[in-house]
Amino acid sequence: AQSVTQLDSQVPVFEEAPVELRCNYSSSVSVYLFWYVQYPNQGLQLLLKYLSGSTLVKGINGFEAEFNKSQTSFHLRKPSVHISDTAEYFCAVSDRDNQGGKLIFGQGTELSVKP
Amino acid sequence: DAGITQSPRHKVTETGTPVTLRCHQTENHRYMYWYRQDPGHGLRLIHYSYGVKDTDKGEVSDGYSVSRSKTEDFLLTLESATSSQTSVYFCAISESRGAGTEAFFGQGTRLTVV
Repeated sequence: AQSVTQLDSQVPVFEEAPVELRCNYSSSVSVYLFWYVQYPNQGLQLLLKYLSGSTLVKGINGFEAEFNKSQTSFHLRKPSVHISDTAEYFCAVSDRDNQGGKLIFGQGTELSVKP
Repeated sequence: DAGITQSPRHKVTETGTPVTLRCHQTENHRYMYWYRQDPGHGLRLIHYSYGVKDTDKGEVSDGYSVSRSKTEDFLLTLESATSSQTSVYFCAISESRGAGTEAFFGQGTRLTVV
């Protein structure tokens, strides 16, 4: 069975500092990987996704993630965060036999950007 | 934003009462999903639908039923609400079957069972 582990439940960081949100997955089959962001009192919005090809994926709002198959990781990074990046971030996986919306989510990481 | 409307947005109900949550989409997407969000668990799939009158169970389907009589509407029913069903419920839609297809989420319904 697939599972996703987000290694940090909360990440506090100062404005303009770099940040990395860690995600590891377990699956015996090939997978697609996603990062979603949830701003307070809102639904989830797709940040980026890895389907195939280049292991470095660029998304919206300056975020990027790197797929590492040997370490089964898909960590999210941003070189310089803003106050507006304060939100909860979810890593998710879908195996290639599943329908697009059937996602397995991690527990979420709360990113708190302080001035 | 994708045209997804969830109603109600907030609801407080008593244990043992039936509750129905509605998801309405204007995107004409074939696939629709209900997830629940709980602290420490992320989002977990309750039920999904791949067309009118075609539904199937997800990871945490016990105590829930769904119906889809029209492409645009997907209803989630708690037959007899329990306190363990206090949660935030999200509807999602996707256009195609491909596993890499983006899922679009509604704003959520916060349900409290007292």
